[in-house]
Amino acid sequence: AQSVTQLGSHVSVSEGALVLLRCNYSSSVPPYLFWYVQYPNQGLQLLLKYTSAATLVKGINGFEAEFKKSETSFHLTKPSAHMSDAAEYFCAVSESGYGNKLVFGAGTILRVKS
Amino acid sequence: SAVISQKPSRDICQRGTSLTIQCQVDSQVTMMFWYRQQPGQSLTLIATANQGSEATYESGFVIDKFPISRPNLTFSTLTVSNMSPEDSSIYLCSVGGVGAFFGQGTRLTVV
Repeated sequence: AQSVTQLGSHVSVSEGALVLLRCNYSSSVPPYLFWYVQYPNQGLQLLLKYTSAATLVKGINGFEAEFKKSETSFHLTKPSAHMSDAAEYFCAVSESGYGNKLVFGAGTILRVKS
Repeated sequence: SAVISQKPSRDICQRGTSLTIQCQVDSQVTMMFWYRQQPGQSLTLIATANQGSEATYESGFVIDKFPISRPNLTFSTLTVSNMSPEDSSIYLCSVGGVGAFFGQGTRLTVV
């Protein structure tokens, strides 16, 4: 069975600092991996996805993530945090080729301090 | 990308009643998914809905409590039946393809 572990339920960074949100996955087959952002009282927005092409994936709003098979990780980074990045972030995994049934991590709330 | 519209966006319901949530997609899709997000928690898949067949439910979710319809390739409904306060959650519709897209969700409060 697939699973996702997000290390750190809360992460706090200063504005302009590096953002690093950690995600480790478990999958018996090559996975598809996703990062989503959820702003308060809103739905989920897809930030980026890995689908077995390039291991370094660039997404919206300056975020990127690197797929590391040896470490079973898909950490999300952004070089410089902005106040508008404050939100909850979810990592999710799907078995490749299977209709996108997603298994989500518990989520990480990102706080950006001025 | 797909544009997904969910109705209602929020509702407050009395316990013991039922609420039907609608999900409309702007393109034809094979599979549609319904998720639940309980307060302060992550998303959990309720069921997968294919057009022309019965929905497939995940462990812990049953058809009597969460009946789903999928009459065509652009529309689905989820009903939350005989509601209790524990059903207070955000319910989200999603469509597949490589990179799932989500509706804005229905925020349900049961009193």
